[in-house]
Amino acid sequence: KQEVTQIPAALSVPEGENLVLNCSFTDSAIYNLQWFRQDPGKGLTSLLLIQSSQREQTSGRLNASLDKSSGRSTLYIAASQPGDSATYLCAVKRLSGNNDMRFGAGTRLTVKP
Amino acid sequence: DGGITQSPKYLFRKEGQNVTLSCEQNLNHDAMYWYRQDPGQGLRLIYYSQIVNDFQKGDIAEGYSVSREKKESFPLTVTSAQKNPTAFYLCASSQTVNTEAFFGQGTRLTVV
Repeated sequence: KQEVTQIPAALSVPEGENLVLNCSFTDSAIYNLQWFRQDPGKGLTSLLLIQSSQREQTSGRLNASLDKSSGRSTLYIAASQPGDSATYLCAVKRLSGNNDMRFGAGTRLTVKP
Repeated sequence: DGGITQSPKYLFRKEGQNVTLSCEQNLNHDAMYWYRQDPGQGLRLIYYSQIVNDFQKGDIAEGYSVSREKKESFPLTVTSAQKNPTAFYLCASSQTVNTEAFFGQGTRLTVV
C-alpha cells in the first residue's frame, strides 16, 4: 500500500528566504508525482508534475525534484513571498490498483512579511 | 474558459437525506475523480471514472454513489448510509490516468 508523508507539517519563514518542502512515499512503482497548492477553503492548484522518468521540473521560483528509488521528492521555493503562504500537497499516481493519486497530509507554509 | 466547476460551494444536509454534488469539466478529459478532505488529513479517493459509462470504487466508497453518463459530468450522491458526511469534497479530472490532474474549487458539505 502506498503511503505518502510530508514533513514538516507546518513551516514559518521570513520573506525572502529559500525553503524546501519534503515528500516521501513507500512504493516506487509510480506514474508520476504532482505538487499542489491549496489556499484555505479552496480547491487544489497544480504547481508541477514530474513523470517517473524525470528527475526534476521547474516553474518560475519553484523547482521540484524526484528520486524514485529512494521514494523522495522535494519542492524548492526560492525567494519566498507572503503570497506563497498556503498548504502544499504532494500526490503520487500509482501504477497498480486504482491508478489513483495518493496524497500526503500537506505542509502548511506561512511566509512573514 | 476551460476548467472544472463544482456546485454548490456550500451544501447543508439534514439527517436521512440524500444530496448530490455536481462536477462538470470542459477540458475534454477522460478520467474524473471524487476525493474527500477532512481537517488535518490528506485527500481520500471516493470514486473514479476512466471513461464514460464506467466507474470504480475508491478507498471510501461506502455511502456514496456516482454516475458517468456524459464525458463532461461526474455527479456524486451522498446517501443517508454515509454516517459522517461532513467534509470538503473535491472533484478532479485528467486527460488519462497518468497525466496532470486538475481540481475544482470544492463543495463543503455540512450535516445539520
